[in-house]
Amino acid sequence: GENVEQHPSTLSVQEGDSAVIKCTYSDSASNYFPWYKQELGKRPQLIIDIRSNVGEKKDQRIAVTLNKTAKHFSLHITETQPEDSAVYFCAASEGGSNYQLIWGAGTKLIIKP
Amino acid sequence: EAGVTQFPSHSVIEKGQTVTLRCDPISGHDNLYWYRRVMGKEIKFLLHFVKESKQDESGMPNNRFLAERTGGTYSTLKVQPAELEDSGVYFCASSLLGNSPLHFGNGTRLTVT
Repeated sequence: GENVEQHPSTLSVQEGDSAVIKCTYSDSASNYFPWYKQELGKRPQLIIDIRSNVGEKKDQRIAVTLNKTAKHFSLHITETQPEDSAVYFCAASEGGSNYQLIWGAGTKLIIKP
Repeated sequence: EAGVTQFPSHSVIEKGQTVTLRCDPISGHDNLYWYRRVMGKEIKFLLHFVKESKQDESGMPNNRFLAERTGGTYSTLKVQPAELEDSGVYFCASSLLGNSPLHFGNGTRLTVT
């Protein structure tokens, strides 16, 4: 079946540095790619998403890039802060669906003070 | 606005028992989804309601799982009888439209012993 691979599983960066999380997907029909942040004990929250007609999207310190040819997309967080510590999930839609998502296994991001 | 709420937050039951999870979506959201994350693996889609109708239940693992959304408001997910492999975190999400971003609840952590 279709899958999404997410790397790394754990990422530790110094406060102020940048963090990059990468995902690859297998379903060539995927056209929607959201990123969710889940803080400990809290709900997953959408932080940014991108559709296949766009190669890059930025929102303040967060950016997502998409390479449809290579079937990979990445989350970039610049100037990391302690509150960025969380588990980040990437997902790719099954076809054009907004909810039938194939999820990555998650990346635990640790920001060291 | 109030977010998606799930009850209970934690549930510990013995194998063979029955558990019912509840989800209250954001008011006005016709679309309601159930997901689960088992054993720290990726989040997997279970099913999708549009109002009271099951739009897509392709992710339901077997007939021990029964989801309902009578009246098109809150939803319940019943597991009967529970098995050890059902342990995990069950998330509910809702969206205003079928292609709108998902809003997740905090999840219910189910432990089957």
